[in-house]
Amino acid sequence: DAKTTQPPSMDCAEGRAANLPCNHSTISGNEYVYWYRQIHSQGPQYIIHGLKNNETNEMASLIITEDRKSSTLILPHATLRDTAVYYCILIGAGSYQLTFGKGTKLSVIP
Amino acid sequence: GAGVSQSPSNKVTEKGKDVELRCDPISGHTALYWYRQRLGQGLEFLIYFQGNSAPDKSGLPSDRFSAERTGESVSTLTIQRTQQEDSAVYLCASSSYMNTEAFFGQGTRLTVV
Repeated sequence: DAKTTQPPSMDCAEGRAANLPCNHSTISGNEYVYWYRQIHSQGPQYIIHGLKNNETNEMASLIITEDRKSSTLILPHATLRDTAVYYCILIGAGSYQLTFGKGTKLSVIP
Repeated sequence: GAGVSQSPSNKVTEKGKDVELRCDPISGHTALYWYRQRLGQGLEFLIYFQGNSAPDKSGLPSDRFSAERTGESVSTLTIQRTQQEDSAVYLCASSSYMNTEAFFGQGTRLTVV
């Protein structure tokens, strides 16, 4: 049951910002937006999460719209090592199960 | 340890044999998860442990699959009488209680021939 919708693939030039969108129009009030990524042949890696305020950490920024129906993950200066599948998932407070959809395959182009 | 450790990293087994996959979570993490990822597919939830109890086993595909956890540490996933469709990468993750920032291991690639 896909609660989020992401484009299947995106390209980004090396050094440019990568903006990955995610739609979650049926998000509940207690659900957080989480982003993970999976680099080829590795386990998924946590990136960032937020509830309603924009968030920033050393890896990325997360912009959540005021109505919380969509969000954007921003990698400010994409490198070749950022080539991966990026997953946007919703997790309720106190929930544990991570349900991954198909994600967005980001290709960073030299 | 510094991260979630899984062993073996690769396992090739004959159809019908039993296999045991091991996961060492991050020290202090009470929650532990097993996932399966078939080639080119998404992550399939298998089982979740809180401490050494498993409140949710709903993802285990059949009764050939079982998992145990010792206290808040090592977990083993056992697959009996392996079948070719069991071939996949088996991923383990751990997180602090009620904190779903989960840390994943590198996985065990299981090939059933």
